Order: sequence, then C-alpha cells, then structure tokens
Amino acid sequence: AQKITQTQPGMFVQEKEAVTLDCTYDTSDPSYGLFWYKQPSSGEMIFLIYQGSYDQQNATEGRYSLNFQKARKSANLVISASQLGDSAMYFCAMTVKSSGGSYIPTFGRGTSLIVHP
Amino acid sequence: ETGVTQTPRHLVMGMTNKKSLKCEQHLGHNAMYWYKQSAKKPLELMFVYNFKEQTENNSVPSRFSPECPNSSHLFLHLHTLQPEDSALYLCASSGNRGGAKNIQYFGAGTRLSVL
Repeated sequence: AQKITQTQPGMFVQEKEAVTLDCTYDTSDPSYGLFWYKQPSSGEMIFLIYQGSYDQQNATEGRYSLNFQKARKSANLVISASQLGDSAMYFCAMTVKSSGGSYIPTFGRGTSLIVHP
Repeated sequence: ETGVTQTPRHLVMGMTNKKSLKCEQHLGHNAMYWYKQSAKKPLELMFVYNFKEQTENNSVPSRFSPECPNSSHLFLHLHTLQPEDSALYLCASSGNRGGAKNIQYFGAGTRLSVL
C-alpha cells in the first residue's frame, strides 16, 4: 500500500522568505509520480509541481521547487520569496499504477501555510 | 473560467432526500474522478472513470451512485445519506496518458451538509 506523510499540520512564514513543506512517501513500486497541490480557502485544488521517480534532476516551476531525495523517500516542496497569496493548504500526493491499470493518487493530510506580511 | 466545473457549489439535504452533484470538464480529458474531503482526514478517492468506464470503486457505500454518460460529464447521485457524509466533494479530470505523471485538474467542489 502507498502512504504519504506530511508531519507539519501548520507552518508560518514571513513574506518574501523561503519555506519548506515536508513530505515523505512509502511505496514498493519502482515507478511512481510525486505531486504537490495547493488548496486555497475557495476549495479548488491547484497543481503546482511534479517529480517522476526516474527523474535525475529536481523539478522546478517558477517559485516552486521539489527537493527529491529518493533514498530518504522524501519530496519536500520549497517555496521561495513567499507571497501573501501563498497562504493555503498544501497537499503532497503520489501516484502508482493500480490493479485496474490506472494511475491513482494517494494524498497526504496537508500542511496549512500562513504567510505573514 | 476553470476547466472543471462543479454544481452546485453548496448543498444542504435531509437524510431522506435524493440529490445529484454534477461535474463537467472542458479539457478534453478521458478520465474523471470523485473525491471526498472531510475535515481532519486525507482526501479520499471514491470513483474513477476512464473513457466512461468505471475503473475504480474504493468500497464506497451504495448510497453514493456515480454516472458517467460521456468523457466530459460526471454525476454523483446521492440518496439516504448520513450526517457523516457531510464533506467537500471534489471532481477532477486527467488525460491519464502520462503514466505516473497523471496530473489532475480539480473543480472547486460541492460543500455538502446532511441534516
């Protein structure tokens, strides 16, 4: 079974500072994908960044980067130069191939990020 | 305008009511999903449809009945719900062709309250 662990229920960061949100995962499948999603108070989940298990380099998307440490099974999200609009819930997720042939994500419990002015 | 639209945004229903949630995607995707998001619980996958065929059903009670008439529309029919079914119900779609890179695009959700 797949498992995603986010150990930080809540995080605070000063505007313009960088922040790291932790995520560890567990799977015996060698092929998997790792994702981060942002959920503002409006409810919609927004895709931020993706890392494949065979990717050699850490993924980056603008101010978001994923610190992928395969041996430690961690996929931390780094947000640089935090903005007030970054305040939201952040979810780490992993996909592996299910018995039905589809790639199904498993989500962590999320981390609430609050950016202070 | 979001590529995935869910209606209604809010729904209050009694335990004996029958209601339906609707999801529509304009992204040309072939896979659609229903999730349940309760307070203090991880996001729970309920159903997956791929090319209108149901491929996943995560032991969801029969009082939740999904319907996928085509790749762009997904419904969740609700009947005789329980108060513990109160939650945010999220719909998502994906191209499902990227292997593990299965990026999901979500709607804004339906906030359901069962009285």
